[in-house]
Amino acid sequence: QVQLVESGGGVVQPGGSLRLSCAASGFIFSSYDIHWVRQAPGKGLEWVASIRYDGSNSYYADSVKGRFTISRDNSKSTLHLQMNSLTVEDTAVYYCAKDVSGSETYFDYWGQGTLVTVSS
Amino acid sequence: EIVMTQSPATLSVSPGERATLSCRASQSVSSNLAWYQQKPGQAPRLLIYGASTRATGIPARFSGSGSGAEFTLTVSSLQSEDFAVYYCQQSNNWPVTFGQGTRLEIK
Repeated sequence: QVQLVESGGGVVQPGGSLRLSCAASGFIFSSYDIHWVRQAPGKGLEWVASIRYDGSNSYYADSVKGRFTISRDNSKSTLHLQMNSLTVEDTAVYYCAKDVSGSETYFDYWGQGTLVTVSS
Repeated sequence: EIVMTQSPATLSVSPGERATLSCRASQSVSSNLAWYQQKPGQAPRLLIYGASTRATGIPARFSGSGSGAEFTLTVSSLQSEDFAVYYCQQSNNWPVTFGQGTRLEIK
């Protein structure tokens, strides 16, 4: 069955960095676009970043552009999110999510999430 | 950026009754809309995509309708496990955006 397992969350000071990872299994990882979606405590869902199945293109929300970098290693079925210059507004549960596959972007499988807390 | 607005914010319905949730886009998103269900402490679950296509394993009591800028999620006969927060999401334009959610609670 499809599994996505995030790791790397934790507490970091404002201005700091963190690298999240997402280990995928149960599907052909290299065939699907993969995404990061976050949810601040008690708030709604916010798309963060996406990467094409072959890593050829990546896309970012304006709120993280220039600070976050999404990458993937298809040989290891792993997704990463490098987060730099973190602010308190980046505090959230970060989910990796698999794309349904097709011309539109929908998220059919999600990991359990990893909590990032930015605090001094 | 397309703004998605869900209504009502909270909907109180009795088990066995029908629930109707609404989602409005600030501009047309064609049929490029999804619905998700999220329970406390869990990741969201995809229910509907393409406005009306049920995702794998989703019960038939969940149905989606609409196109353009107005969409509806209907749960025909509420079960205890259906009480949760529901989000709509458009994928017609980048960035993809979500509504703020509707909390479906037991009346």
